Amino acid sequence: DIQMTQSPASLSASLGETVSIECLTSEGISNDLAWYQQKSGKSPQLLIYTTSRLQDGVPSRFSGSGSGTRYSLKISGMQPEDEGDYFCQQSYKYPLTFGSGTKLEIK
Amino acid sequence: EVQLVESGGGLVQPGRSLKLSCAASGFTFSNFYMAWVRQAPKEGLEWVATISTHGTTTYYPDSVRGRFTISRNNAKSSLYLQMSSLKPEDTATYYCSRHETRMGLDYWGQGVMVTVSS
Repeated sequence: DIQMTQSPASLSASLGETVSIECLTSEGISNDLAWYQQKSGKSPQLLIYTTSRLQDGVPSRFSGSGSGTRYSLKISGMQPEDEGDYFCQQSYKYPLTFGSGTKLEIK
Repeated sequence: EVQLVESGGGLVQPGRSLKLSCAASGFTFSNFYMAWVRQAPKEGLEWVATISTHGTTTYYPDSVRGRFTISRNNAKSSLYLQMSSLKPEDTATYYCSRHETRMGLDYWGQGVMVTVSS
């Protein structure tokens, strides 16, 4: 199975601050990496797929990058509505696997 | 508008069975792979199963293989998860999701809670 190591586990950011979340995979996944946001008490929502493609309706302050075994999600200008949990996930091979999550809060 | 609505959750004793359903609307159900993902209380996400467009191919992680069965009825735009030999560690919210292979899980239902306890 492909192991997903996500960091940090938690993060506190001020309004307007740029934040980054990293995801390391145990083997190359050919950019088949997605990011999800889950707000408190809600279902996860797809933010980014194939490393860097924004899902429809996702604000442009979200961006993704990476290759090989190292991927990241960046939020350029933290907003109150960005509070929540973020998960990375690989679709390169079964079993699909997720990172352990990052809790993002407003400072 | 894509909608996925799960049902069938509840409290069940260890070793018993339970079947979850997911009613899909707003897209051509038969054109898409579908999946189940679960989330234990205060925990992360765990993929549980995926089924191909016509149900001919299914995928499971080791944690549920042989106990859980994913199926679908394209005529009814419905997805199912038959869970047997349930264990306390299967306690979680179960989400139905549309699975765009190599892209991810692009739509999710609201989730249904399953509690396995005596």
